[in-house]
Amino acid sequence: EVQLLESGGDLEQPGGSLRLSCAASGFTFSTYAMTWVRQAPGKGLEWVSTISSSADSTYFADSVKGRFTISRDNPKNTLYLQMNSLRAEDTAVYYCAKDYYRNDGSWSLDVWGQGTTVTVSS
Amino acid sequence: EIVLTQSPGTLSLSPGERATLSCRASQSVSSSYLAWYQQKPGQAPRLLIYGASSRASGIPDRFSGSGSGTDFTLTISRLEPEDFAVYYCQHYGWSPRYIFGQGTKLEIK
Repeated sequence: EVQLLESGGDLEQPGGSLRLSCAASGFTFSTYAMTWVRQAPGKGLEWVSTISSSADSTYFADSVKGRFTISRDNPKNTLYLQMNSLRAEDTAVYYCAKDYYRNDGSWSLDVWGQGTTVTVSS
Repeated sequence: EIVLTQSPGTLSLSPGERATLSCRASQSVSSSYLAWYQQKPGQAPRLLIYGASSRASGIPDRFSGSGSGTDFTLTISRLEPEDFAVYYCQHYGWSPRYIFGQGTKLEIK
């Protein structure tokens, strides 16, 4: 069964740091790009960051650029999101998702984890 | 930057009825990069439609997607009780990589 399991969410003070993890199973992790998407309480979905399969390319939303880092450990089938200089507006459920590129040229996020909650508050 | 605008914000229908959800892009986009997701309360989003019109694995055939250019539609032919949820359209691009619409809440009338 294809599965993504996030962890690491917590209550953190403004200016603090957290590292989220996403453990993948049931597919060849090293061959897929991976993405983090967040959802603030009562709000819609917001793309945060994407990393290529080999980790040679990373992409960030303007709202987190310079504060967040995305990385992956392919032998361990694990995706990470290092979150520094946290702000109240980073409070959200953070989902990891698997990017899927098909031969027809389409891109989507076909597998999602259950999410981990980050709360930034003093 | 492309903006996706979904309408209506809330759609109130009864089981058995047909639902039509709209997603409009601020500029023409490739159909290959347009997807739809369903999200129920307390759950992660689930991929419904990719490439504007292809159903993802395990998605019932009452769900269909259509459109091109700037106007895309998700249609649910006959609503089942489990279909009441929030629906998001999404575009894949270069930067930002993924853009989501603000969502349409489909509620029971």
